[in-house]
Amino acid sequence: DAGITQSPRYKITETGRQVTLMCHQTWSHSYMFWYRQDLGHGLRLIYYSAAADITDKGEVPDGYVVSRSKTENFPLTLESATRSQTSVYFCASNAGTGTYEQYFGPGTRLTVT
Amino acid sequence: GQQLNQSPQSMFIQEGEDVSMNCTSSSIFNTWLWYKQDPGEGPVLLIALYKAGELTSNGRLTAQFGITRKDSFLNISASIPSDVGIYFCAGLGNTGKLIFGQGTTLQVKP
Repeated sequence: DAGITQSPRYKITETGRQVTLMCHQTWSHSYMFWYRQDLGHGLRLIYYSAAADITDKGEVPDGYVVSRSKTENFPLTLESATRSQTSVYFCASNAGTGTYEQYFGPGTRLTVT
Repeated sequence: GQQLNQSPQSMFIQEGEDVSMNCTSSSIFNTWLWYKQDPGEGPVLLIALYKAGELTSNGRLTAQFGITRKDSFLNISASIPSDVGIYFCAGLGNTGKLIFGQGTTLQVKP
């Protein structure tokens, strides 16, 4: 049982390039989330999804795009990467059955040069 | 917006000592979660609290949901080297989303 996985684990890209971070969960959880973690800011919510084809903005959505065509996948795309998007990105999921416990993936460390 | 203040920011303790950390807010939260993050990994859920006053244990870890619903506490008894990491509290805000504290970095000296 893989749980929740993220790929790639590490990525270096150049300013202006498009990059997509992948998230896959095997629990059939309804909710999925993307966070970024930066020193001094803790974990900040970028986007979340309550179900396939339903997405909504979090605290820091600018510069990011998400989609959720299948329940198990929730990719995050940086359309034109900027240096300020250098961060560690975490995907999380929640069963959405009246509980609020979120389970996190291992993270993707993204560096934008 | 709602914010959580987590303290202390960091702790450096001797193996075998007990540890206490807490999260406070000026807002009411209906759910509190505690996570631990090891270096290079994602946060791992330790304890979930759903009722004011609730006290829940997970091995050497004990967490409490404050009676005012504005705070939560995590205690670790008899610390061991593998307790090293960053501990995060998270509260369910009035927007229905989790709000995370800044984290407490724990270092344990063998």
